[in-house]
Amino acid sequence: NAGVTQTPKFQVLKTGQSMTLQCAQDMNHNSMYWYRQDPGMGLRLIYYSASEGTTDKGEVPNGYNVSRLNKREFSLRLESAAPSQTSVYFCATLQYGNQPQHFGDGTRLSIL
Amino acid sequence: AQKITQTQPGMFVQEKEAVTLDCTYDTSDPSYGLFWYKQPSSGEMIFLIYQGSYDQQNATEGRYSLNFQKARKSANLVISASQLGDSAMYFCAMREGLGDSWGKLQFGAGTQVVVTP
Repeated sequence: NAGVTQTPKFQVLKTGQSMTLQCAQDMNHNSMYWYRQDPGMGLRLIYYSASEGTTDKGEVPNGYNVSRLNKREFSLRLESAAPSQTSVYFCATLQYGNQPQHFGDGTRLSIL
Repeated sequence: AQKITQTQPGMFVQEKEAVTLDCTYDTSDPSYGLFWYKQPSSGEMIFLIYQGSYDQQNATEGRYSLNFQKARKSANLVISASQLGDSAMYFCAMREGLGDSWGKLQFGAGTQVVVTP
């Protein structure tokens, strides 16, 4: 998915370590989102940024922080990783209106 | 409270047959949108079809159609003439309201579809 790029694709962490998941888009979209997907469940919203300079909490924000660095980039930080944060993380973007969100390919994160 | 309910955890369907995936939703907002996404085993999220709450006609996109029954709060996805490549997890999602928060999606738990020859 050339429009929304997530790095890294895979990562293994130890409990207590920190890391930042990166998301960059070349679609010139205003809004960006971070979701997590746990086995057997749909995606749940962690944080979102409706426009450059703004961020807001979603359904499951605890343990995460975000930064909307500029219009293109939206990062998700785990300050002290916990096994409960083992998940697949998706970044998505949206321009406006009734358009669908465009998703990155996901980051598979395991915390031991 | 669960806003999107997909009651079918998994389904088998024969190639070339049609399949209906159920989705019911809960909202008191008059303005909302309903989306269906496909997630193959490779993991990416692929947008299939969209229905707005004010749309008069049911949405269609190629082999995909949405059976939108507003009064019953259901938005079922119909896949016609199933193909082996349709084997995937299918998610129903809803966006509510207007304003800055309106792009947020709430997802159902998904339905796993397996298409058999």
